[in-house]
Amino acid sequence: KAGVTQTPRYLIKTRGQQVTLSCSPISGHRSVSWYQQTPGQGLQFLFEYFSETQRNKGNFPGRFSGRQFSNSRSEMNVSTLELGDSALYLCASSLGEGPYEQYFGPGTRLTVT
Amino acid sequence: AQRVTQPEKLLSVFKGAPVELKCNYSYSGSPELFWYVQYSRQRLQLLLRHISRESIKGFTADLNKGETSFHLKKPFAQEEDSAMYYCALRWYSGGGADGLTFGKGTHLIIQP
Repeated sequence: KAGVTQTPRYLIKTRGQQVTLSCSPISGHRSVSWYQQTPGQGLQFLFEYFSETQRNKGNFPGRFSGRQFSNSRSEMNVSTLELGDSALYLCASSLGEGPYEQYFGPGTRLTVT
Repeated sequence: AQRVTQPEKLLSVFKGAPVELKCNYSYSGSPELFWYVQYSRQRLQLLLRHISRESIKGFTADLNKGETSFHLKKPFAQEEDSAMYYCALRWYSGGGADGLTFGKGTHLIIQP
């Protein structure tokens, strides 16, 4: 079974631009979560989607948004990029909400200059 | 709000020595705790969860609700154990939605 895939793997953007990251979950998984990983803050929860609905949101500004499609693929968008948004963005999928294991993708490395 | 604390950023032990990675949590609900591992150039993966009470790659972790701890232990470290280890707490909000809160991680280095 193919694992979680994320595209693109690397991205360089300029301050003020916007970016869209994509995540394809494991086949059959319906829940997708996004995390931001930085050296200073570690792994921080961004949001969770289940059945095309955002179920939870972490403590991030409204510039961070996302969505989930009917095939469970998910995208996250960051508008008006700031230098501090440079991070590894991880996506994780699970069968559903509740006590299911989350499987992580390789991440998208975003660099904002 | 829930919190996970891993007090050691870096832990270096010799091969064959015992290893203990510390994790403390705070959460008002019933905790579900996990250890994730990230080997060099690999993706984050689940190592073990407290509800399974299993031993994976020789590692065990016991949930101590009195001390709000979930320390990861291995009696004899091996060089291939060198990695970043993250303790994580699953929390639930209304309607069954959930998320994971991670500690900042401990970089374990096993010296030959």
